[in-house]
Amino acid sequence: GAVVSQHPSWVICKSGTSVKIECRSLDFQATTMFWYRQFPKQSLMLMATSNEGSKATYEQGVEKDKFLINHASLTLSTLTVTSAHPEDSSFYICSPRAGSGSEQYFGPGTRLTVT
Amino acid sequence: AQSVSQHNHHVILSEAASLELGCNYSYGGTVNLFWYVQYPGQHLQLLLKYFSGDPLVKGIKGFEAEFIKSKFSFNLRKPSVQWSDTAEYFCAVSRNTGGFKTIFGAGTRLFVKA
Repeated sequence: GAVVSQHPSWVICKSGTSVKIECRSLDFQATTMFWYRQFPKQSLMLMATSNEGSKATYEQGVEKDKFLINHASLTLSTLTVTSAHPEDSSFYICSPRAGSGSEQYFGPGTRLTVT
Repeated sequence: AQSVSQHNHHVILSEAASLELGCNYSYGGTVNLFWYVQYPGQHLQLLLKYFSGDPLVKGIKGFEAEFIKSKFSFNLRKPSVQWSDTAEYFCAVSRNTGGFKTIFGAGTRLFVKA
């Protein structure tokens, strides 16, 4: 299967600071990147979809100014949580896809804890 | 609202018991269907997928699923579970409209007693 990495795997930050999470598809070109959030004991909730070189499309209820997504290349996408608050503490998972109709692959996730 | 429904949130089985986890979706049109597994402390892994063709799909680790279009269902089965199957299982659906984004069910937490 495809190799997807996320960095960092775990981050603790203070309330009000910003955190950047990187997602890399190591052995294929991701034309589309999906970002999910998973709260403890819950399912994955889709936050946004981005196509390489385009602005991200956010799901209803997800603040685009708070969760900044950059998909500048076919192998790298970043999610920046701005002015983080404790309620943003969650597991963030990226999911790159090579093309429409193709399988989505999943990164190992980044656990964010905001104190 | 369009959704993916998993009927059981928690399932407890003894080793060697048979497993069936239900999944229904409410999207019309052409869909792609997936089952993922998440072992404790690990990331998602694909168990099996259905895009087209034979509606009975074989996956890894002895799992299979059957797509019944008339029932909008894609139930996961395994004839004999093992302790190592203890994990959370997610059904997921993507459509050929809406950018093929994958939507997940709430998950079923399976615990297999040794």
